[in-house]
Amino acid sequence: NAGVTQTPKFQVLKTGQSMTLQCAQDMNHEYMSWYRQDPGMGLRLIHYSVGAGITDQGEVPNGYNVSRSTTEDFPLRLLSAAPSQTSVYFCASSYVRQDYEQYFGPGTRLTVT
Amino acid sequence: QQPVQSPQAVILREGEDAVINCSSSKALYSVHWYRQKHGEAPVFLMILLKGGEQKGHEKISASFNEKKQQSSLYLTASQLSYSGTYFCGTERGSNTGKLIFGQGTTLQVKP
Repeated sequence: NAGVTQTPKFQVLKTGQSMTLQCAQDMNHEYMSWYRQDPGMGLRLIHYSVGAGITDQGEVPNGYNVSRSTTEDFPLRLLSAAPSQTSVYFCASSYVRQDYEQYFGPGTRLTVT
Repeated sequence: QQPVQSPQAVILREGEDAVINCSSSKALYSVHWYRQKHGEAPVFLMILLKGGEQKGHEKISASFNEKKQQSSLYLTASQLSYSGTYFCGTERGSNTGKLIFGQGTTLQVKP
């Protein structure tokens, strides 16, 4: 199993550009989530999904879109990048059960200039 | 709303003990603990459920006080490998998939 994979690992964007961060998992997990990590702020939930076709907003959803057309993939779209979106982005997945363990991908480091 | 962790940072010598606290202003269903090494992804440590027991493995254990919406992570006889940033994540309902993390506690263990 590859686990949770994220691409790209690094990305530099100019303000106003759009892009999609890719996340895929091969463990047949129902839950998938996107977090951003900034110094001193911890991990903040952007969007999450409890299954294919179902998504919901987290703590900081503005400026980001998601969709979940398959169980395996959960892409995160930045519509018009802003410097405030400079961050490390983590995707995570888990089974649906009470004592679930989230598996995190390796992260994408995004810089917006 | 993010849970609040304390302390923000702690420095220990090998063999010393540490406690990291996590508190929420909202009623909680579960508390999750993760550890992140520098430059790596967070890794699951344990989960405590409402009505569940105190958990632990090896020298790391945790408790969950449902009435106070607080959890504590106990690291005993710390090792160099315990260094990293510890995050608590909280869930307000069962099987919501919505895990909200605190701001993290940085632990440094020195020889």
